[in-house]
Amino acid sequence: GENVEQHPSTLSVQEGDSAVIKCTYSDSASNYFPWYKQELGKGPQLIIDIRSNVGEKKDQRIAVTLNKTAKHFSLHITETQPEDSAVYFCAASANDMRFGAGTRLTVKP
Amino acid sequence: DAGVIQSPRHEVTEMGQEVTLRCKPISGHNSLFWYRQTMMRGLELLIYFNNNVPIDDSGMPEDRFSAKMPNASFSTLKIQPSEPRDSAVYFCASTFAGQGYGYTFGSGTRLTVV
Repeated sequence: GENVEQHPSTLSVQEGDSAVIKCTYSDSASNYFPWYKQELGKGPQLIIDIRSNVGEKKDQRIAVTLNKTAKHFSLHITETQPEDSAVYFCAASANDMRFGAGTRLTVKP
Repeated sequence: DAGVIQSPRHEVTEMGQEVTLRCKPISGHNSLFWYRQTMMRGLELLIYFNNNVPIDDSGMPEDRFSAKMPNASFSTLKIQPSEPRDSAVYFCASTFAGQGYGYTFGSGTRLTVV
């Protein structure tokens, strides 16, 4: 089955700096790669996704890149704000969705 | 839409007792997933349904766990008998078609087995 690895497990940045989270996956059949943000006491919330026929996608301060050959994808957050502090999960989907272990992002004001 | 609704939000029970977690997916979604989240193991897929039919239950830890989806608007996850190591947050998620679409998660049920 699919195995998703995510790095780093924790990330601390200064407000205004950029944050990058990286993931790799194992199943070449995976064709959908969403990213979720989980705040304390809440369920994961979809923030952006990318499909295998696209290399990059951007939504305001958030961007995702996908390298299918290397089987890795990344989340980029620019101009970080304290409210970006949360746990972020990557996921890869073929028949079902498998999640990475999560990255706890802390944005210091 | 009210989103995916889970109940209860919190459950504290004694070891050996039966626990039933409930989920109402988003209307129109035809796939439903149960996940368990712990610090040690992260988000684990337990079981998922397509059109109310269980497709893959290989993530269910053992026979003490069972899940049902009697109709398109309701699912349950039952643990009988419960054990302290079952303590976790259990999430239900739903989507349309089950592949290539983001999941909508509920707020979770925090289960504590003492």
